[in-house]
Amino acid sequence: DAMVIQNPRYQVTQFGKPVTLSCSQTLNHNVMYWYQQKSSQAPKLLFHYYDKDFNNEADTPDNFQSRRPNTSFCFLDIRSPGLGDAAMYLCATSRNTGPGPQYFGPGTRLLVL
Amino acid sequence: EDKVVQSPLSLVVHEGDTVTLNCSYEVTNFRSLLWYKQEKKAPTFLFMLTSSGIEKKSGRLSSILDKKELFSILNITATQTGDSAIYLCAVAGPTGKLIFGQGTTLQVKP
Repeated sequence: DAMVIQNPRYQVTQFGKPVTLSCSQTLNHNVMYWYQQKSSQAPKLLFHYYDKDFNNEADTPDNFQSRRPNTSFCFLDIRSPGLGDAAMYLCATSRNTGPGPQYFGPGTRLLVL
Repeated sequence: EDKVVQSPLSLVVHEGDTVTLNCSYEVTNFRSLLWYKQEKKAPTFLFMLTSSGIEKKSGRLSSILDKKELFSILNITATQTGDSAIYLCAVAGPTGKLIFGQGTTLQVKP
């Protein structure tokens, strides 16, 4: 089955210790998105890739970076996690950047100690 | 500023009840409205609506969009405990960026 996969599902890191979250997709979609969702809040878009083109949201902190080495994989790097970065991180894909649906992975829950 | 507002924020019903969830929006360059169901994991896509007045239906769930009045409703008939979840409404602009509402938490009691 075509799907969006995120690893790990749970990640514990220490304050200030870099962490990388992984997303892969078998849908062959052009666009991949990273969202941050804090408890009881709606998902908030951090950035997205259309193919190799990176698009950062204006209010995404510099602490968050992303890499997309190929169509299937996309990584979220948090350079120096703070306590406020503890959240669910959701990866999503869509065929193109039109108004069509985005399909979400299961998420990675990040805990910062 | 673009915004999507859902109501109610939470709802408790009993199995068999019918519920209506509301989503209103103020978004420039509207292209589509999407409904997602979120249990204790990632959101699952339910419907995408682009045209006014055309009902989308999937089993006991249905949704309709009113582009003149800028709102959508999601109906769930004969609710089951498995319908308990957070229902998210999101609006997409021309770039595909989704602006989410705050969600409606639905609890269906046996």
